[in-house]
Amino acid sequence: GAVVSQHPSWVICKSGTSVKIECRSLDFQATTMFWYRQFPKQSLMLMATSNEGSKATYEQGVEKDKFLINHASLTLSTLTVTSAHPEDSSFYICSAPEGPYEQYFGPGTRLTVT
Amino acid sequence: GNSVTQMEGPVTLSEEAFLTINCTYTATGYPSLFWYVQYPGEGLQLLLKATKADDKGSNKGFEATYRKETTSFHLEKGSVQVSDSAVYFCALPTQQAGTALIFGKGTTLSVSS
Repeated sequence: GAVVSQHPSWVICKSGTSVKIECRSLDFQATTMFWYRQFPKQSLMLMATSNEGSKATYEQGVEKDKFLINHASLTLSTLTVTSAHPEDSSFYICSAPEGPYEQYFGPGTRLTVT
Repeated sequence: GNSVTQMEGPVTLSEEAFLTINCTYTATGYPSLFWYVQYPGEGLQLLLKATKADDKGSNKGFEATYRKETTSFHLEKGSVQVSDSAVYFCALPTQQAGTALIFGKGTTLSVSS
């Protein structure tokens, strides 16, 4: 099946700094990618839809100025957490659909803000 | 919009026991339904799916039948193994095929030998 990668898999940063997370579709093109957030022992919550060539669409309650999304190419979307705070510590997961029924998930990035 | 309600755990079973994890949904039309599994320290993996009513998805001994009459997609396995210990998520598209997924809250399964 198709593969979606994320980098880094784990990052620790200091409060107030920014962190960039990459999501790549390795063997297929994705005009759309999705970013989710998962808190410990909880479900995934959709944060935003990343669209190649246009602005991202954010879910209600997600600060677009804090979580910057750039869909730079048909295989790459990036999520930048700006001015990170400890409450931003979470597991961030991206996914990319291929066709009407398949959706491939990245392995996730664990962000810890100290 | 679409929504999903999933039985919350944790579920603790002995090896070879029968497993059922309940999942019900509300949706416009008949969207595809999915079960994903997340093993400790790993990302989400698609376990099985059903793309239309009355379809049965199956994989690795797990099964789920898309029942539109009861709007359910319960996950079952006849004989669980220790290696099945993981978190299981029921999911469906937010609106239509190809869009983001809505996930249930997840059910943690622990299987002991």
